[in-house]
Amino acid sequence: QSALTQPPSASGSPGQSVTISCTGTSSDVGAYKFVSWYQHHPGKAPKLMIYEVSKRPSGVPDRFSGSKSANTASLTVSGLQAEDEADYYCTSYAGTNNLVFGGGTKLTVL
Amino acid sequence: EVQLVESGGGLVLPGGSLRLSCAASGFTFSTSSMSWVRLAPGKGLEWVASIMKDGTETYYVGSVKGRFTISRDNAKNSVFLQMNSLTTEDTAVYYCGKGRLSLDVWGQGTTVTVSS
Repeated sequence: QSALTQPPSASGSPGQSVTISCTGTSSDVGAYKFVSWYQHHPGKAPKLMIYEVSKRPSGVPDRFSGSKSANTASLTVSGLQAEDEADYYCTSYAGTNNLVFGGGTKLTVL
Repeated sequence: EVQLVESGGGLVLPGGSLRLSCAASGFTFSTSSMSWVRLAPGKGLEWVASIMKDGTETYYVGSVKGRFTISRDNAKNSVFLQMNSLTTEDTAVYYCGKGRLSLDVWGQGTTVTVSS
């Protein structure tokens, strides 16, 4: 299975909003509600930020939101803060027991 | 505290084997699916394998099928990844995660380097 497509980088100033896209196909993102987003600060454990397209785990600020339209999922970070600077990865169930990740997006807070 | 701690990484020659372990604590391990995910240098995260709560079902990414085996010991709250016929492409930090389609707990990772 092919990796999902994410922009390699994104940026925004503190307080602004930024949206990261995750494009798949009708066999993965478009077919299932099982899209997740992870935040990864290099050298640390990845952290689940969004699951099942738009659900937030307990403890994740409501500044983080997820959505999906057709074959593209999106993560929006509102009210950017310095600590949001990290790598962000999307994943989707791809059928036949496969899970596929995006290539990752490096979010920079200017 | 919910925690996952990986161990067993190291330097191995191409064609060699390595067994990774992941010790879980702070949650009911026996009712949780578990997965391994890796991060290769300069690349993104890649799902490697998953195992259902009772160990009867296992799933693998195509590139490791037939070489890697995921297993678990619910009595010891541990999940394992046996890696055989390793190649340089398997060099990565290997993370253990709780879950199957979304991983809500992750370990800090253990580094596997395949090099001659």
